[in-house]
Amino acid sequence: QVRLVESGGGVVQPGRSLRLSCAASGFTFSSYAMHWVRQAPGKGLEWVAVIWYDGSKKYYADSVKGRFTISRDNSKNTLYLQMNSLRAEDTAVYYCARQNHDYGNAFDIWGQGTMVTVSS
Amino acid sequence: QSVLTQSPSVSGAPGQRVTISCTGSSSNIGAGYDVNWYQQVPGTAPKVLIYGNNNRPSGVPDRLSGSKSGTSASLAITGLQAEDEADYYCQSYDSSLSLWVFGGGTKLTVL
Repeated sequence: QVRLVESGGGVVQPGRSLRLSCAASGFTFSSYAMHWVRQAPGKGLEWVAVIWYDGSKKYYADSVKGRFTISRDNSKNTLYLQMNSLRAEDTAVYYCARQNHDYGNAFDIWGQGTMVTVSS
Repeated sequence: QSVLTQSPSVSGAPGQRVTISCTGSSSNIGAGYDVNWYQQVPGTAPKVLIYGNNNRPSGVPDRLSGSKSGTSASLAITGLQAEDEADYYCQSYDSSLSLWVFGGGTKLTVL
């Protein structure tokens, strides 16, 4: 069964750090680009970051550039998002998603999401 | 403000047809990048409904269809059902921003 499971969310103070993980199973993780997408409470979806299948390229939304780092460990089938200098506006549910070139590069598989709350 | 513009809400009675529009620009939809559509029931993860402008993944009913023209795209739902009540998002790629973009979302209410 193809699956993505996020973990690592929680409540953190402004300025602190948090690392999210996304464990993949049921497919060849190393063959796919992976994304992080977030959704603030009551708001729409916001794309956050992408990493190429081999980790060779990474791109970020302007809102997180310089503070967040996306990475992956293909030997562990795991995607990461290191979040530093967190702000209140980073409060959101964070989803990892698989980009599938066989589906027009759509995000065809999503995790259940992990909640990050930035508050003092 | 989202790069892709969607109407905040749309509604229809059971059995009716509704369309959800997504307006972009010459750097995303108009540049030829594919549009994908997602459905999100509140409290759950998004699910892809349409990929590559007008293709349905297996399991998505054929009463849902997508189209694209110029700098805009549309999602049409015919034979509206109560289970269609959800939020719908369009998504594409923007070459001037070099990043993936979502529309602001449209809330579909089945009356």
